[in-house]
Amino acid sequence: EAQVTQNPRYLITVTGKKLTVTCSQNMNHEYMSWYRQDPGLGLRQIYYSMNVEVTDKGDVPEGYKVSRKEKRNFPLILESPSPNQTSLYFCASSNLAGGPDTDTQYFGPGTRLTVL
Amino acid sequence: DAKTTQPTSMDCAEGRAANLPCNHSTISGNEYVYWYRQIHSQGPQYIIHGLKNNETNEMASLIITEDRKSSTLILPHATLRDTAVYYCIVVNDYKLSFGAGTTVTVRA
Repeated sequence: EAQVTQNPRYLITVTGKKLTVTCSQNMNHEYMSWYRQDPGLGLRQIYYSMNVEVTDKGDVPEGYKVSRKEKRNFPLILESPSPNQTSLYFCASSNLAGGPDTDTQYFGPGTRLTVL
Repeated sequence: DAKTTQPTSMDCAEGRAANLPCNHSTISGNEYVYWYRQIHSQGPQYIIHGLKNNETNEMASLIITEDRKSSTLILPHATLRDTAVYYCIVVNDYKLSFGAGTTVTVRA
């Protein structure tokens, strides 16, 4: 089954404790992206990647890191989480490189993160 | 990047057409209009996209005005399962910026 998986689905942590949220897709997609969603703000793009070793900032990259060492994986790293990073996070992937006439973006199930 | 404006919420009767407006007055010539929807807190689901021409697929129709400053998503026969938040976004390059969307409630 074609899908985007995220782990963990739920995470409660404390301020300053480094964490990684994994994202994996089995569709051989070149484009992958991370979003956060907060009440009343919709989804905001954090980082995206057009291919292996190619990443770029979205709208809200501060406090986050990403890496794209393999085509299928795109982990989101919070080196020193803070309470304002409490949010619902989504990973997404796309067949074409996210260009204007891109194929549909497939979203993962989400990771609900709470930073105390 | 062009921003979009959508109504905060709207209701629709089951079986009737739902017309969701979106304003994107600052859209540029090479930017596409995309629609996604999100049910509860699930991952967003792609619906449809277009550049200039009207588009239709198995889920919906997209009507884009001639000046491209606004568009309307049409769900031809709304069902209770169409209750969701609908996002109209303008795609430029590789960045997707979602707004707050329109919360659509389909009532029996």
